Amino acid sequence: DGGITQSPKYLFRKEGQNVTLSCEQNLNHDAMYWYRQDPGQGLRLIYYSQIVNDFQKGDIAEGYSVSREKKESFPLTVTSAQKNPTAFYLCASSHFWGNQETQYFGPGTRLLVL
Amino acid sequence: GQQVMQIPQYQHVQEGEDFTTYCNSSTTLSNIQWYKQRPGGHPVFLIQLVKSGEVKKQKRLTFQFGEAKKNSSLHITATQTTDVGTYFCAARGSARQLTFGSGTQLTVLP
Repeated sequence: DGGITQSPKYLFRKEGQNVTLSCEQNLNHDAMYWYRQDPGQGLRLIYYSQIVNDFQKGDIAEGYSVSREKKESFPLTVTSAQKNPTAFYLCASSHFWGNQETQYFGPGTRLLVL
Repeated sequence: GQQVMQIPQYQHVQEGEDFTTYCNSSTTLSNIQWYKQRPGGHPVFLIQLVKSGEVKKQKRLTFQFGEAKKNSSLHITATQTTDVGTYFCAARGSARQLTFGSGTQLTVLP
């Protein structure tokens, strides 16, 4: 909350189309994360980045790609290879990748496939 | 990967009643965090528990970490309509990344 922005709030994708979700933070946090949330379920980690120009796959990375060219930005691309992309996507950041870091979440983007 | 079980999935209570959600892991945890997500909103950090047997309180909320550091609970005393939302535990084992439970969706009936 506060300092993490995600856009757009709602996004519609056609079959076979790639879409990119934006995530920007001005908290000077080193680590950033992307989660997917489906109705009635918890958050599943897609990708995370501990530092600029480095990122790691999470539990459900297939069909997604990310980049981390700037500390403030961590965009997520949902590719056409992701067969069931309709979900609520949450970006988060934390001060450092450590044992007791807490995560701050953005407002999320709801992606719908037409 | 690490799995965290959270129960119940849903809980409806009358305003003023108590509420408890439980989180269980098969492996020993480094620490556990709790988040609250209001309907239509995003998760917000509530608290972190690190020590075995730790108990922390925030007004009407009481958080406990088990002695074996494999389970945790969140208890709300005398629920209010403002408590409505989904409560998630997020556990950290040896892998350092957080694993979220599936959440407990709390409905408070006025």
